[in-house]
Amino acid sequence: QSVLTQPPSASGTPGQRVTISCSGSSSNIGSNTVNWYQQLPGTAPKLLIYSNNQRPSGVPDRFSGSKSGTSASLAISGLQSEDEADYYCAAWDDSLNGLYVFGTGTKVTVL
Amino acid sequence: QLQLQESGPGLVKPSETLSLTCTVSGGSISSSTYYWGWIRQPPGKGLEWIGSINNGGRTYYNLSLKSRVTMSVDTSNNQFSLKVSSVTAADTAVYYCARSFSARFTFYTDPWGQGTLVTVSS
Repeated sequence: QSVLTQPPSASGTPGQRVTISCSGSSSNIGSNTVNWYQQLPGTAPKLLIYSNNQRPSGVPDRFSGSKSGTSASLAISGLQSEDEADYYCAAWDDSLNGLYVFGTGTKVTVL
Repeated sequence: QLQLQESGPGLVKPSETLSLTCTVSGGSISSSTYYWGWIRQPPGKGLEWIGSINNGGRTYYNLSLKSRVTMSVDTSNNQFSLKVSSVTAADTAVYYCARSFSARFTFYTDPWGQGTLVTVSS
């Protein structure tokens, strides 16, 4: 039921920069801010970026977010082995009664 | 530091009602700033938002589940609950509870509970 589209996978070597895209529509990303979650294997998702580009306390500044129109991106610079995880974008969708929609998820592999 | 912990049966029979409780510690569920909600993740799949409720009982539900979902808040015990009726195997998932912040143009969930696996099977 995901209405936000992400590439299924991305990869890079340690130290590289990896970018993940998230494509939505005017009722979600086009109207509201975007958040990103990191899910390490076997754990609960953790908020990584909120309100397009804000990092919660404790999140390294290697992680950055941006938004333009109905798309958003998460960038990981200086990729590290511990960044190997699933990443999900999310945004509020104003359609119907409103709902919070997640992206399809991107598996990041550190080569 | 706010912490959330899900509890409830790990096995539910088809057509019965799934019931989960989330206990909040390190903060009050009575805060008017936040919503309290549920997200689920079928094994090997992505995340699906189920809905959220505030301490005043205002709810937002995912319409794909709305007719089967009920949420409630128990401020005296600092808990909130989820019920999903008429479950099928498709409701098998890890269920997470989470706190949500809602403002104009902004909604996000943080922190999350560790999650609890609920399997629907006879």
